[in-house]
Amino acid sequence: EVQLVESGGGLVQPGGSLRLSCAASGFSISSFWMHWVRQAPGRGLVWVSRINSDGSTTTYADSVKGRFTISRDNAQNTVYLQMNSLRVEDTAVYYCAREEHGYYSFDPWGQGTLVTVSS
Amino acid sequence: DIQMTQSPSSLSASVGDRVTITCRASQSISTYLNWYQQKPGKAPKLLIYAASILQSGVPSGFSGRGSGTDFTLTISSLQPDDFATYYCQQSYSAPHTFGPGTKVDIK
Repeated sequence: EVQLVESGGGLVQPGGSLRLSCAASGFSISSFWMHWVRQAPGRGLVWVSRINSDGSTTTYADSVKGRFTISRDNAQNTVYLQMNSLRVEDTAVYYCAREEHGYYSFDPWGQGTLVTVSS
Repeated sequence: DIQMTQSPSSLSASVGDRVTITCRASQSISTYLNWYQQKPGKAPKLLIYAASILQSGVPSGFSGRGSGTDFTLTISSLQPDDFATYYCQQSYSAPHTFGPGTKVDIK
């Protein structure tokens, strides 16, 4: 079964750091671009970041640029999101998703991991 | 960045109703438009990609149309499992922006 499982979320104080992981199973991530999307409580989906198949190209939403870093370990079949200088407004469920070839839709998605930034 | 809008933001409907949701892009995105369904506490699920292609396993009651800037998602006969929030997303260029969502609930 093709599956993504996120981990690493939790409660952190403003200014703190967290590293999220997204472990894939049932397929090799080495052939795919991978993305992070977040959803604040009661709000809509917001695209956060993407990384190409070999990790040489990354893109970020303006709201996280300079604070978040996406990376991948194809040997471990895992994608990461390092989040530094966290703000209250970064509080959200963070999903990872695989970009499908062709029309760049996202499928599958992981179940999400909750990040809460609060003092 | 490409902005996505959806209408309506919410609607109430009954089982068996035909429902249409509209999505508009701030510039032409060809057919690089995807639709997702999300239920409370769950991850989004891909329904339609490339504006009109049904993802494998998605019921045939869902359909999508459009190109350029204007798109629609239609549910031909609303089923109990279809009550959810629906998001459009453009995959023409990064950032891959989502619409604000349309919540479909029971009348």
